[in-house]
Amino acid sequence: SYELTQPPSVSVSPGQTATITCSGDKLWDKYVSWYQQKPGQSPGLVISENHKRPSGIPERFSGSKSGNTATLTISEAQALDEADYYCQAWDSSSYVFGTGTKVSVL
Amino acid sequence: EEQLLESGGGLVQPGGSLRLSCAASGFNFANYAFSWVRQAPGKGLEWVALHYNLYGGPRYAESMKGRFTIFREDSKSTLSLQMNTLGAEDTALYYCAKSPTDNAGFSYWYFDLWGRGTLVTVSS
Repeated sequence: SYELTQPPSVSVSPGQTATITCSGDKLWDKYVSWYQQKPGQSPGLVISENHKRPSGIPERFSGSKSGNTATLTISEAQALDEADYYCQAWDSSSYVFGTGTKVSVL
Repeated sequence: EEQLLESGGGLVQPGGSLRLSCAASGFNFANYAFSWVRQAPGKGLEWVALHYNLYGGPRYAESMKGRFTIFREDSKSTLSLQMNTLGAEDTALYYCAKSPTDNAGFSYWYFDLWGRGTLVTVSS
């Protein structure tokens, strides 16, 4: 089955940039979306189709992809950005989620 | 306001069955594909099953095939998940999630709306 790999954790200082990667086979050929999940809350979409930011998502969230690695970048990180982040792709008529990354802002 | 509201979770014994429901409001339910996604305690997200809109039927994650059945009632704006032969590994918070569509009604393969989830606990 298809797998997406993320680092378990990322730490960033307030105001600095956090980078979360997502790697998978032939990811260059797939759209990647990203979700933010805060403790006790449902996931919420922050980036769709590699780089599109839904309305209401701050500009400090951006997405990109190069080869088989997609990247979610949080610029000027704030304390409220502390959350788990999941990448997601579509493969063989199935949704696949990444392993998840816990972002700590400290 | 667009909303998804799950219900039906609870405590069930190993080998038992449970039916989850997801009530949608604030949009035309029939136009969209919906999925169930689960999250075991302290774990990541796992896609369970998908029901397409008018362009197709159900799809399942490999480990759910034969045990879970997803179905929808467009007239009631409701998505359901019938779960049979449950085991401890099925203990999780189950979310209902909606996929957006383009102007022709074809789905984009991500989720733009999630419910709050309903908790399923499989234990004796």
